[in-house]
Amino acid sequence: QTVVTQEPSLTVSPGGTVTLTCASSTGAVTSGYYPNWFQQKPGQAPRALIYSTSNKHSWTPARFSGSLLGGKAALTLSGVQPEDEAEYYCLLYYGGARVFGGGTKLTVL
Amino acid sequence: QVQLVESGGGVVQPGGSLRLSCAASGFTFSSYGMHWVRQAPGKGLEWVAFIRYDGSNKYYADSVKGRFTISRDNSKNTLYLQMNSLRAEDTAVYYCAGPGHWGQGTLVTVSS
Repeated sequence: QTVVTQEPSLTVSPGGTVTLTCASSTGAVTSGYYPNWFQQKPGQAPRALIYSTSNKHSWTPARFSGSLLGGKAALTLSGVQPEDEAEYYCLLYYGGARVFGGGTKLTVL
Repeated sequence: QVQLVESGGGVVQPGGSLRLSCAASGFTFSSYGMHWVRQAPGKGLEWVAFIRYDGSNKYYADSVKGRFTISRDNSKNTLYLQMNSLRAEDTAVYYCAGPGHWGQGTLVTVSS
């Protein structure tokens, strides 16, 4: 069974920079896994942020960026705002099936 | 604007069936693949199923394979999820998603 692993929690100061990562139990994450990133706030539906590693949706704030880093997919937030406090999920593609990571709870403190 | 509106959730007994619908508007539904994703209470997101834009290919999570069927009617701009042999662990909010958009979800509770 494929497992996608994210940091369970991270804390960042307002205005700071933080990187969330997404690893696959099958090995290094490449562009062929088409990493997607989603943000979910309590009581709300998820919102898509990044698709195919680094592409932003029209509504994605410029401070969010996606990349590949050390064999993992990564989501970097630069100049973090209080409203960025949320749960973040990555999604990887496995030739048809997809698998979500367990999520990272980002606290802005 | 893009809208995805799920319906069909409710309370069902273990072993029972339910069909979820997702009405899409604001984009060319027939051009995009669509997903079902679920979230158990207090838990993370779980990908459930995907269907290609024309219905030619369907993919399922191992946890639902053989019990759930994803389908679509492009003439009605509607996505479906037929859920059979439901179990307590299928209790969750079910979201439809794509392309880049999510519905608000519909709650399915499996309980006797």
